[in-house]
Amino acid sequence: SQQGEEDPQALSIQEGENATMNCSYKTSINNLQWYRQNSGRGLVHLILIRSNEREKHSGRLRVTLDTSKKSSSLLITASRAADTASYFCATDAGGTSYGKLTFGQGTILTVHP
Amino acid sequence: SAVISQKPSRDICQRGTSLTIQCQVDSQVTMMFWYRQQPGQSLTLIATANQGSEATYESGFVIDKFPISRPNLTFSTLTVSNMSPEDSSIYLCSVEVWDSSYNEQFFGPGTRLTVL
Repeated sequence: SQQGEEDPQALSIQEGENATMNCSYKTSINNLQWYRQNSGRGLVHLILIRSNEREKHSGRLRVTLDTSKKSSSLLITASRAADTASYFCATDAGGTSYGKLTFGQGTILTVHP
Repeated sequence: SAVISQKPSRDICQRGTSLTIQCQVDSQVTMMFWYRQQPGQSLTLIATANQGSEATYESGFVIDKFPISRPNLTFSTLTVSNMSPEDSSIYLCSVEVWDSSYNEQFFGPGTRLTVL
């Protein structure tokens, strides 16, 4: 079963607005990674946040992690039409499951020009 | 990072046949993974392929249906055997790369399989 749940399932915004996507998970993790997928193609790695980190930035991306609530959020600032894609969170539980990613259901982001 | 290629990029196959998907990485990696993404769904891990050992399959996936080879540290294949329309999916391989203390996973472009 999928560990991760993401909301919203779909998000539609105008160019220049910020987009926030949330991810929840059920078990303890070693790290959490965010990916982007354009039109059913391969996944592009966006950012990794480790369990002992609370926030990370990369360009227009900001990721937060709250291990007490077992949740993470991805913020895309000043969105562009090119940001239109599906976004997935994926957790690595570590231990015997090291390296095995469990994916959320994804958020479909549409940015209108 | 790692550059990963997959062949074929897409294929249309007949029911009952088999297809072998290749995954090539531009650097040596210990762990490679195969995922399936059914239409409109998220990714599900099929198996972990480490060089020099048998692949480890996740619940719901078996070696007879999805045999995997890992002959060296840069290459792996996944075969989808005796295909049915339910096997129509995107199949992706991924590798784990260590960068300082981070273990990030990078994905190939995927193989889009349609079974008629």
